[in-house]
Amino acid sequence: DIVMTQSPLSSPVTLGQPVSISCRSSQSLLHSDGNTYLSWFHQRPGQPPRLLIYQISKRFSGVPDRFSGSGAGTYFTLKISRVEAEDVGVYYCMQAAQFPLTFGGGTKVEIK
Amino acid sequence: QVQLVESGGDLVKPGGSLRISCRASGFAFSDYYMSWFRQAPGKGLEWVSYISGSSNGIFYADSVKGRFTVSRDNAKNLVYLQMNSLRAEDTAVYYCARVIKHDWSPDPWGQGTLVTVSS
Repeated sequence: DIVMTQSPLSSPVTLGQPVSISCRSSQSLLHSDGNTYLSWFHQRPGQPPRLLIYQISKRFSGVPDRFSGSGAGTYFTLKISRVEAEDVGVYYCMQAAQFPLTFGGGTKVEIK
Repeated sequence: QVQLVESGGDLVKPGGSLRISCRASGFAFSDYYMSWFRQAPGKGLEWVSYISGSSNGIFYADSVKGRFTVSRDNAKNLVYLQMNSLRAEDTAVYYCARVIKHDWSPDPWGQGTLVTVSS
C-alpha cells in the first residue's frame, strides 16, 4: 500500500496570511495513463470532507482561487494564499494512483 | 443539485451484520462510480469501497474484503454497503460519495451515517 505522510500536524495561522501543507507518498503517484492522482480535501468540524484539488493542481468546481496545489512524483504541496476564517479545519491528501486508495493523516489549520 | 443521503447506521454487536444505504439525487446516477469511505471517531479518513456505474467494477479495502459487499440499484438511485462479521474497529461514520469524472476523487460526500459496533 502507498503510505501518505502529511506535515505539519497542526498549523496555527493569522487571518490573511499564507499557509502551506506538505504531503509525501511512499511511491510515485504517476499513473501509467500519464496522470498523477493526488487530491486534497478540506473537512470542517462536524462536516463531511470537500474536494479542493485533484491531479495535483486542478482546482475543483467552486473552489476559491486562493487554494493551489503543486508537486510531482512523491512530493506535493497545498497552499492557501490568504487564509480566511472559513478555511479552518483539517486538510487531507489522498492518492488514487493505485488501490487501495490511501489518505494522509491530516493537517489541522487553526486561527492564531 | 447533487445530493447524497446515507441511512441505516445503528448500534450492532460484534459479529453482527448491518446494511447501510445511500440515496442519490440530482444527477445521472448510473453514469458515475460511487464510493464508501469511513471515519472512526476522532480519526482520519479511510477508503472502503468503489463501485462502477454498471457494477462491473468493484474494489474494496483489505480491511473489509470478504466481510463487506457493495451494490447499487440504478433504478432506485441507491447504493448499499452490506457489512457482515462486524468488529469494534468498524465503528465509524460511513460516508457515501460520488466519484468525479476523469479522476478517482470523491465529491460530493453525504453527511454520513454512524455505525457503532459494541457489546
